[in-house]
Amino acid sequence: IAGITQAPTSQILAAGRRMTLRCTQDMRHNAMYWYRQDLGLGLRLIHYSNTAGTTGKGEVPDGYSVSRANTDDFPLTLASAVPSQTSVYFCASSDPASARLQETQYFGPGTRLLVL
Amino acid sequence: DAKTTQPPSMDCAEGRAANLPCNHSTISGNEYVYWYRQIHSQGPQYIIHGLKNNETNEMASLIITEDRKSSTLILPHATLRDTAVYYCIVRVYNNQGGKLIFGQGTELSVKP
Repeated sequence: IAGITQAPTSQILAAGRRMTLRCTQDMRHNAMYWYRQDLGLGLRLIHYSNTAGTTGKGEVPDGYSVSRANTDDFPLTLASAVPSQTSVYFCASSDPASARLQETQYFGPGTRLLVL
Repeated sequence: DAKTTQPPSMDCAEGRAANLPCNHSTISGNEYVYWYRQIHSQGPQYIIHGLKNNETNEMASLIITEDRKSSTLILPHATLRDTAVYYCIVRVYNNQGGKLIFGQGTELSVKP
């Protein structure tokens, strides 16, 4: 079982370019999340999806969009990247309906993005 | 979700128990206490969670005070690989999912 995979591992991007960060999970979890982590600020939620076909905004959604066409994939798109979006991006998933797991979140390895 | 307070850093000798405290004085009756850790450059990793009873798994033990206003994560025999930032999080469990609010955590350094 791979768990959660993210791609690319790292990327250098010119400001103004469009970029999609990919996230795939094979655990059939209903809920998925995108966080960004910046030094001194901890992890902050960007967008989330409670189930396929639905999405919601987190703490810092501006400049980002997501889609959830199926259970496994939850891509994050930067329509026009800016230097302040330089960060480490983590995707996570959970199974809120599982009484045993009680909504433990499982995280991917992260994507390191540098916007110049 | 209730706010948590953790010391910013702690040291522990290899092979000794690491006891990481967390205060959550505003916790409500239906909020769970979760612990995650993040080893450098990796994604956060779930460790353990509990409501009011003490819990133990293969990674750690969680001791929650009777009034539930504080808890302690215990790593019984810390190794160098346990060096990480440890996050204490309290939140309501519901079947709609939801975000985890990560504070600054405790940076644990396990020393030889």
